[in-house]
Amino acid sequence: RKEVEQDPGPFNVPEGATVAFNCTYSNSASQSFFWYRQDCRKEPKLLMSVYSSGNEDGRFTAQLNRASQYISLLIRDSKLSDSATYLCVVNGGGKLIFGQGTELSVKP
Amino acid sequence: GAGVSQSPSNKVTEKGKDVELRCDPISGHTALYWYRQRLGQGLEFLIYFQGNSAPDKSGLPSDRFSAERTGESVSTLTIQRTQQEDSAVYLCASSFTGGSSGANVLTFGAGSRLTVL
Repeated sequence: RKEVEQDPGPFNVPEGATVAFNCTYSNSASQSFFWYRQDCRKEPKLLMSVYSSGNEDGRFTAQLNRASQYISLLIRDSKLSDSATYLCVVNGGGKLIFGQGTELSVKP
Repeated sequence: GAGVSQSPSNKVTEKGKDVELRCDPISGHTALYWYRQRLGQGLEFLIYFQGNSAPDKSGLPSDRFSAERTGESVSTLTIQRTQQEDSAVYLCASSFTGGSSGANVLTFGAGSRLTVL
């Protein structure tokens, strides 16, 4: 089993849609969780950290369920500029492990 | 510097040659990571340096791969006797660690694109 697993994608959605990505992790001792965004042929950049109580940043909401070892990212009112690959990242035993990523394509 | 700097940005080499990739992290960042990303794939963890602790080498795919870091500064990733399957973008990232806000947040370099012919 991979340490961090994500929905396979790609997700093709119209502008204005709400889309949710899921991620599961295997190391129950993990303490830090993040969502990164990677545009085509670019390096990943931090989208948001994920806190135990859940957190929101504008149209983006991240949730953490420690009992189920599950992280989610919700994007509301999606924009064309949201098209990218979304990477789930988990701190597993000190090192940061990336999921394979979920590709999102927002269409007009 | 202001960001993570990697060199070379592009490297084309022949199968069997050795290559060395360099990473200059953000000043003050104690943690440094190397990842490999093959075309259309996710980021594959290679190695992690944290301060003066022994590095976590658990992601290195074979003994042809090695990395060094001098203190909390520059790191080099060396691939010996390159193979075609080594073709990928090699990404370096750094972060500071600890209990403060922003800890463990990675800043990536632009990557070194390696093509093995």
